[in-house]
Amino acid sequence: AQSVTQLGSHVSVSEGALVLLRCNYSSSVPPYLFWYVQYPNQGLQLLLKYTSAATLVKGINDFEAEFKKSETSFHLTKPSAHMSDAAEYFCAVSVSNTGGFKTIFGAGTRLFVKA
Amino acid sequence: NAGVTQTPKFQVLKTGQSMTLQCAQDMNHEYMSWYRQDPGMGLRLIHYSVGAGITDQGEVPNGYNVSRSTTEDFPLRLLSAAPSQTSVYFCASSYRRTQNYGYTFGSGTRLTVV
Repeated sequence: AQSVTQLGSHVSVSEGALVLLRCNYSSSVPPYLFWYVQYPNQGLQLLLKYTSAATLVKGINDFEAEFKKSETSFHLTKPSAHMSDAAEYFCAVSVSNTGGFKTIFGAGTRLFVKA
Repeated sequence: NAGVTQTPKFQVLKTGQSMTLQCAQDMNHEYMSWYRQDPGMGLRLIHYSVGAGITDQGEVPNGYNVSRSTTEDFPLRLLSAAPSQTSVYFCASSYRRTQNYGYTFGSGTRLTVV
């Protein structure tokens, strides 16, 4: 069965510093992997997704993630944090099944950005 | 293009009451689902639908019913509300049932059961 582990429920960085949010997954079949962002009192928005076309995936707002099969990881990075990046980030894994597909979300990592 | 619309945004129920959370999408998405979000637990799948007339259970289906009579609508019914159902509920949809394009989420319904 698939699962997602996000390391660190809270991450704090200074404005302009590197952002690194960690995600490890478990899946018995090749997965689709996603990062979503949730701003306060809003729904989740798709940030980027991995669907086996390329291991380095670029998303919105200069975020990117690298799929590493050997490490079963899909960490999210951004070279320079901005105050507006403060939000909660969710990693998700999805696999096809007979009924369509099933998506499992991680517990989330809240990103704080200090001025 | 409204995307995924959820109503109401906020609701307070008394224990034992029933209610329906509404979800509608105008993107002709085949796949629709309901999640609940609780602190420290991420999102947990309640029910999902791969098309009109087809529904199935997710991780935490107890106490909830769904139906999908049209492609656009996917209401979630709480049969007899309990305090454990206090949560934020999100409806999400996706383009195709057989490939995962990622979800479009509604803005959520914050439910409190007292």
